[in-house]
Amino acid sequence: DSGVTQTPKHLITATGQRVTLRCSPRSGDLSVYWYQQSLDQGLQFLIQYYNGEERAKGNILERFSAQQFPDLHSELNLSSLELGDSALYFCASNSLAGSSDTQYFGPGTRLTVL
Amino acid sequence: DQQVKQNSPSLSVQEGRISILNCDYTNSMFDYFLWYKKYPAEGPTFLISISSIKDKNEDGRFTVFLNKSAKHLSLHIVPSQPGDSAVYFCAASDMNRDDKIIFGKGTRLHILP
Repeated sequence: DSGVTQTPKHLITATGQRVTLRCSPRSGDLSVYWYQQSLDQGLQFLIQYYNGEERAKGNILERFSAQQFPDLHSELNLSSLELGDSALYFCASNSLAGSSDTQYFGPGTRLTVL
Repeated sequence: DQQVKQNSPSLSVQEGRISILNCDYTNSMFDYFLWYKKYPAEGPTFLISISSIKDKNEDGRFTVFLNKSAKHLSLHIVPSQPGDSAVYFCAASDMNRDDKIIFGKGTRLHILP
């Protein structure tokens, strides 16, 4: 158990809909990272928040947005969903802003868009 | 453009033998490299890392080798055990630039009895 929790575990929805994925980092961790893992892709970095502020942005679509709240949990919002958004979404956390600090991953949320 | 490439989607190795997982990268600015291991239905877990100032880092049965001139790194597992069957992701970052870690697509390792 990494100490990072993600809810829900599975999510099935239809095209055009909007969903919110939630992540609670390990106790004391200030950084949260979001990743997408599609069938034929590795882990694609989406976005990072550090202590409530956006710190780094990766291949995140404009239809996607995220935020980190004062209690440090984070939410990833996916809107106007398309079939191709079906993937595993992981969040990870670490205590520092630097990538040299090990990232601890949650179990992931499997999103299926029908 | 894939900056971190794991060209072998899968690898099968006999239990007790050496497993060698390979990874190539294209960005010469990468200065920190990591390997993560992932079991089904779980998130990836950190395995071992190496900074560009070293060419080898060892942790128990796991050794990572870095060849900067070839932009190549490898993970050696000796001896391979059944519990090593998993997907292994190679990852890299440019620590001077930002906190982004770029992952490869992963290699599925099967340890055969």
